[in-house]
Amino acid sequence: SYDLTQPPSVSVSPGQTASITCSGDTLGERFVFWYQQRPGQSPVVVIFRNAWRPSGIPERFSGSNSGNTAILTISGTQTMDEADYYCQAWDSNTVVFGGGTKLTVL
Amino acid sequence: QVQLVESGGGVVQPGRSLRLSCAASGFTFSASDMHWVRQAPGKGPEWLALIASGGNYKSYAHSVKGRFTISRDNSRRQLYVQMNLLTTEDTAVYYCAKASGSQSESWFDTWGRGTLVSVSS
Repeated sequence: SYDLTQPPSVSVSPGQTASITCSGDTLGERFVFWYQQRPGQSPVVVIFRNAWRPSGIPERFSGSNSGNTAILTISGTQTMDEADYYCQAWDSNTVVFGGGTKLTVL
Repeated sequence: QVQLVESGGGVVQPGRSLRLSCAASGFTFSASDMHWVRQAPGKGPEWLALIASGGNYKSYAHSVKGRFTISRDNSRRQLYVQMNLLTTEDTAVYYCAKASGSQSESWFDTWGRGTLVSVSS
């Protein structure tokens, strides 16, 4: 089976840049999607197809994907960005999620 | 607005079955691929199954293949998952999700609020 690996936690100070990685074999050859999940809420897509932002998602969210690693970058992180973040990709007509990264803003 | 509402969750004994439903509104349901995703307490999302817009293609996670069956009724704008031989490992919040984009390049642009399934004796 295909695995996506994320760091369990990332900490960032308000206003600084947060980077969350997602690693997988030849991940750069696939599309990667990122979801934000706040406590008690359903996930929300913040990046699709590696680097595209859905309407309504702030410009401070950006994504990249190359080699074996995709990166979600949050520039000028705000306290409201504190949440769990999950990457997602496809493998052999099935969907795979990363284990998630808890972003702490303090 | 686009909305997905799951129902059918509850407490069920190990070995029993349960069917979950998802009512869709605010978009062309018959043109959308749909998925079921679950999330165990304190864990990340786990994808379960996909059904194509016309119902003619289905794909399952290895962990539930043979036990879970996804289906849809486009005339009623309903998505279903039949879950058999439930174990405690199936305890989770179950979400239905709408796909956007072409099948193996798609993402989940809308999620329901989820319905909790608790498998316990």
